[in-house]
Amino acid sequence: GAGVSQSPSNKVTEKGKDVELRCDPISGHTALYWYRQRLGQGLEFLIYFQGNSAPDKSGLPSDRFSAERTGESVSTLTIQRTQQEDSAVYLCASSSRQGASQETQYFGPGTRLLVL
Amino acid sequence: GDSVTQMEGPVTLSEEAFLTINCTYTATGYPSLFWYVQYPGEGLQLLLKATKADDKGSNKGFEATYRKETTSFHLEKGSVQVSDSAVYFCALPSGTYKYIFGTGTRLKVLA
Repeated sequence: GAGVSQSPSNKVTEKGKDVELRCDPISGHTALYWYRQRLGQGLEFLIYFQGNSAPDKSGLPSDRFSAERTGESVSTLTIQRTQQEDSAVYLCASSSRQGASQETQYFGPGTRLLVL
Repeated sequence: GDSVTQMEGPVTLSEEAFLTINCTYTATGYPSLFWYVQYPGEGLQLLLKATKADDKGSNKGFEATYRKETTSFHLEKGSVQVSDSAVYFCALPSGTYKYIFGTGTRLKVLA
């Protein structure tokens, strides 16, 4: 069956521009996660969705970052006024049960963002 | 707080060599432990997991044993192949839904 998909796969933008990253989770998965992976670093948790609501936004680095999810399906991560330090791979993951950290997470291939 | 420490890479091995990638953790209680793998151009995927102390997770010839006394979950494989070249991440759940991931260890296997 289809896995988690993300688009675009690569994005190059100029500093100060807004970008929107999309994640399509596995159908029926209620939990959705966004992570950031900077070069040479581990995965950094950004936000978690339980259905369409986000009980934990504590990982978002600044108020330039926002995310939403609709229809308990697709999610978009928006970065406003991008900065060079936003350059990273943004990963999305989904799992079948919400609030269950022991569940396996299924990851998308990521969006590689480069801010010039 | 909870944390994962993973050996730095890259690790370069010849085909059929023995592999160990070290992972140690700090956690409240005894959470499940995971190894994820990221092949070139692909997303992370679960490689194996162990849900309690002394459990051994295994998959595709890889093994890792959950050792409570040393707070470790080292990944091992007796004979690596070129197709094992990837980045490997150790991870543990933290709280209700978060994961904490290690920094990843890149493995390159030469023919």
